[in-house]
Amino acid sequence: DSGVTQTPKHLITATGQRVTLRCSPRSGDLSVYWYQQSLDQGLQFLIQYYNGEERAKGNILERFSAQQFPDLHSELNLSSLELGDSALYFCASSDSLGTNTGELFFGEGSRLTVL
Amino acid sequence: GQQLNQSPQSMFIQEGEDVSMNCTSSSIFNTWLWYKQDPGEGPVLLIALYKAGELTSNGRLTAQFGITRKDSFLNISASIPSDVGIYFCAGRAYSGAGSYQLTFGKGTKLSVIP
Repeated sequence: DSGVTQTPKHLITATGQRVTLRCSPRSGDLSVYWYQQSLDQGLQFLIQYYNGEERAKGNILERFSAQQFPDLHSELNLSSLELGDSALYFCASSDSLGTNTGELFFGEGSRLTVL
Repeated sequence: GQQLNQSPQSMFIQEGEDVSMNCTSSSIFNTWLWYKQDPGEGPVLLIALYKAGELTSNGRLTAQFGITRKDSFLNISASIPSDVGIYFCAGRAYSGAGSYQLTFGKGTKLSVIP
């Protein structure tokens, strides 16, 4: 158990819909990262928050947005969903901006299926 | 952006065999990490390497940080069925504004035949 909690574990929805994925980081971790894992694409970095502020953006589509709340949990919002958005979405946390060991602690992921 | 080339993409081996996988990059990293993802789980850190040329072991796992800082390899000796999973390399580099970012390889899917 990494200490990172993601909900829901599975989600099936239709094209055009909007979903929200939720992440609670490890206790004390200030940084939250979102990754997308599609078949054969490895882990694609989407976005990072640190203590409520956006710190880095990766290959995140404009239809996607995220935020980190004062209690440090984070939400990833995916809208106008397309078939190609079907993937595993991972949240990871670390205790810093990555300046220490570089280790990220991953949740178990949310599997999104868009039909 | 930075890209990591991880190979092989997949491998099937007999239980007891040794395994080797590697990652190369056109960019320099100051840290290399190796993660393992079990089916239905998130990736878990196996080994972290912080200095060029560093060779580190963790049980049956051995990893090295290439001297050029652009590559790393992971060896698994005497494989067992629970080694099955996807292994990811990741390179860490400074991304500005006091932050460091991890770039992941596409993974090596390991299957072990009992």
